[in-house]
Formats: sequence, C-alpha cells, structure tokens
Amino acid sequence: GIQVEQSPPDLILQEGANSTLRCNFSDSVNNLQWFHQNPWGQLINLFYIPSGTKQNGRLSATTVATERYSLLYISSSQTTDSGVYFCAVERGGTGRRALTFGSGTRLQVQP
Amino acid sequence: EAQVTQNPRYLITVTGKKLTVTCSQNMNHEYMSWYRQDPGLGLRQIYYSMNVEVTDKGDVPEGYKVSRKEKRNFPLILESPSPNQTSLYFCASSPDPRGGSYEQYFGPGTRLTVT
Repeated sequence: GIQVEQSPPDLILQEGANSTLRCNFSDSVNNLQWFHQNPWGQLINLFYIPSGTKQNGRLSATTVATERYSLLYISSSQTTDSGVYFCAVERGGTGRRALTFGSGTRLQVQP
Repeated sequence: EAQVTQNPRYLITVTGKKLTVTCSQNMNHEYMSWYRQDPGLGLRQIYYSMNVEVTDKGDVPEGYKVSRKEKRNFPLILESPSPNQTSLYFCASSPDPRGGSYEQYFGPGTRLTVT
C-alpha cells in the first residue's frame, strides 16, 4: 500500500514562531488532506489540497504532486495551534476511498 | 451548518453489552465510512458505504457491523464489545467521487472504553 511519512515527528515552538511540516508519499494520489487533532481528540479539516497552494489565515499548504510531497506552513504560531497534525492521502481508483494517514507531527507551542 | 455528527461522544461500557454509535451527515453525501484510532496504529478504516444499502469491509471489520438504510445515517454496531475495541472512533463522509476526487469530512469522534 501507499506509504506516508511526516516530519518532524515532534516540534516545540515559542509563541509567534513560524514552522513548516512536511508530508512525503510513495505513490500518486488523487486526494491529500491536512488535519489538526486537538487535545480533545477532534480531527479538524485544515486543507484539501491534492495539488497547488492554498492559504487560510495563518496557515497555508502546498502540494507538489509530481514530486510526491506536501508542506504545511504555520506562521505566528499560537498556543491553540498545539496538537497533532496529520497528512492523509487517498490513492483513488477504488470505491473504498480509504485515507492513509501519516504518523503525525506533534506540535507544542509554548507561551 | 454542513457537518458530520456522532453520538455519543464518550461512552464507557462493559464487555458483551451491545451498543450503537450513530453517525449522521447533512450534506447529502453518498459515501460514508468509519475509522478507529489507536496509539501506535494510527487511523484504520473499519467499514465504508458507497450509497444506501451498499456497505463493505475496510481494514479492520471484525467485531463490527454497519447499516445504511438512509443516506444521511451510518450507524456502527458493536454486537458484543470487547476490551480490544476500546478506541477513538471517527465517522467520515464525502460526495460521490464520480468524475474526480473529493474532500472527506470527519465527525468529532467517539471515545469508547470497554471494561
């Protein structure tokens, strides 16, 4: 099956700092999403980004499908950004539509 | 507001006592699925449904049942829960993928503990 690797696994930032999270995947995909899992366990959709660049406030994401990677940028981080960030991909061509998740980047933003 | 809802959000139960976790979406999506999340194992798909009355197994279906009698609802049934089904469960939905790929929308999660 498809492999999804995220880096770094852990990240500690001071409030106000910027960061870049990376997601590498081993095969072509037709769906790539970034999620934030907050300390209460909820999975928050951040971006649906199979290719190209999107921005939403302090967050932006870029996927280069031909090179099989995606980046999530967090600028001016806040303590509420803490949690685990997951990249998930979907191969397509199958009705199962199962998302394969990376192991996540655990982000801690300190005041 | 477009959303996927799950109930209950938290549940503590005992081995063998049948339970149902409900999932409902208000976006008229054809596709729905269930995942469980466990430490060290990540999120794994349990069952999925392409439309009403069309369901199939995912990666870890043992010990679970599902039904899809209405488009908006996709309940997860544990006929005889066991402690190894203690987990965080997520329901997801998406439009029919005919002609392209579509975002998947996740519910808020149900934290289940089986003692």
